Formats: sequence, structure tokens, C-alpha cells
Amino acid sequence: DTAVSQTPKYLVTQMGNDKSIKCEQNLGHDTMYWYKQDSKKFLKIMFSYNNKELIINETVPNRFSPKSPDKAHLNLHINSLELGDSAVYFCASSQGQGAKNIQYFGAGTRLSVL
Amino acid sequence: AQKVTQAQTEISVVEKEDVTLDCVYETRDTTYYLFWYKQPPSGELVFLIRRNSFDEQNEISGRYSWNFQKSTSSFNFTITASQVVDSAVYFCALSVDFGNEKLTFGTGTRLTIIP
Repeated sequence: DTAVSQTPKYLVTQMGNDKSIKCEQNLGHDTMYWYKQDSKKFLKIMFSYNNKELIINETVPNRFSPKSPDKAHLNLHINSLELGDSAVYFCASSQGQGAKNIQYFGAGTRLSVL
Repeated sequence: AQKVTQAQTEISVVEKEDVTLDCVYETRDTTYYLFWYKQPPSGELVFLIRRNSFDEQNEISGRYSWNFQKSTSSFNFTITASQVVDSAVYFCALSVDFGNEKLTFGTGTRLTIIP
């Protein structure tokens, strides 16, 4: 059983399109996150949700809209895709809020915008 | 603001050698947590260890050991008797009590173990 699963694993699309990435965790965690890893492998937080409530929005363009239908799911919708959005997007989850909580990551979604 | 520096971009060692990955962090908070994650070639991020700022004891887990020194703001990671399966990118990360729960990552160290 995969603890944090993301779909799709690969996403290739044209500039200007809208796409979604789904994330589900079966760990019973309360908090979920989206991170972006750029071409130089740098990882940066985008969003976090706790019990479906937005906690962190780290100056991400509003073309990115996270949605949490329940605490086990956090989806990421991206409108009007740009070349610079090409990256690997990681979903993560942790038990509760707070700096001490270990974040467990999914396998990543590699987005390529052509 | 928090910052994590991994000055070693790439390291290559021959199998069975020991290797140390450096991590230096910056924060003004007194309560914080340090983490190491491994990203193998398959791409997933695997949690390795968490340390809190009040516990400076070194930790050993099999061939892995971690040396936390507050005096030098460092949290270094040593792999003893390296194996090819250790080849990966390793990330050091920091979270602080008043920074929500976001992880601030270093830029990673790519470790290649040569058979």
C-alpha cells in the first residue's frame, strides 16, 4: 500500500492548457502539502492544508489552486500553464501541524510544459 | 528567515568508503527540527531522520550516523562502508516552531557510489 500517492506520475502538456494533479494519503494524517522541485533539484513549499483548511500559501501565482475535498486528499489545479511551470511536484502529509511532524512524500509528478 | 546550506553539490566515492555529507543551517528560533531525506534515482523522497534542537546526541542507524552540533549549526550525515544503493541526492531540511510546518530544504548533495 502506497502511503502518499500522486497521479499522474508524468504529465506532458501544451502551454496554455489547464491540468490537475491528484494526491491521496492513507496514513490518517491531518496535514497535507504541495512542494515544487525545479530543474536544479531545489525543493520549495507551495501550499499546506490542515483538515481541509489552507495554512500556507507561499507566494504562488494564483494560476495554482489547491483543493482539499477531505483531509485525505489534496489536489492541485494549474490554469494557463507556462513553460516555467515545468518541474516535479511533490505531495506530502504529516500527522498534525507543527514543526516537529515528519512529512512523508509521494513519488512526485513530473510536469513538462511544451 | 531560515536557511539550509549544503555546500557539497556532488560527491563520488568508491564503494565501501565512508562519506560525510555536510549540512549547515541558520535560524533565530530556539526550537527547531532538522531532517534528512534521500532521493534515489527513481525520484521519490524518503525520510531518513528527524532531530530536535534540544537533543544533541549523535544517532546511529546501521551504516548511517548523524552528528548534530549546535555550536557550529551543523547536522552532518555519514555513511559508513558505502554501497551502490546509497547513490542518491540527499537533502537536509529545517523546520521551526514559528514558521508553520514548512520544510526549508538545502540544495541537496548528489552522492555517487562507484562500484
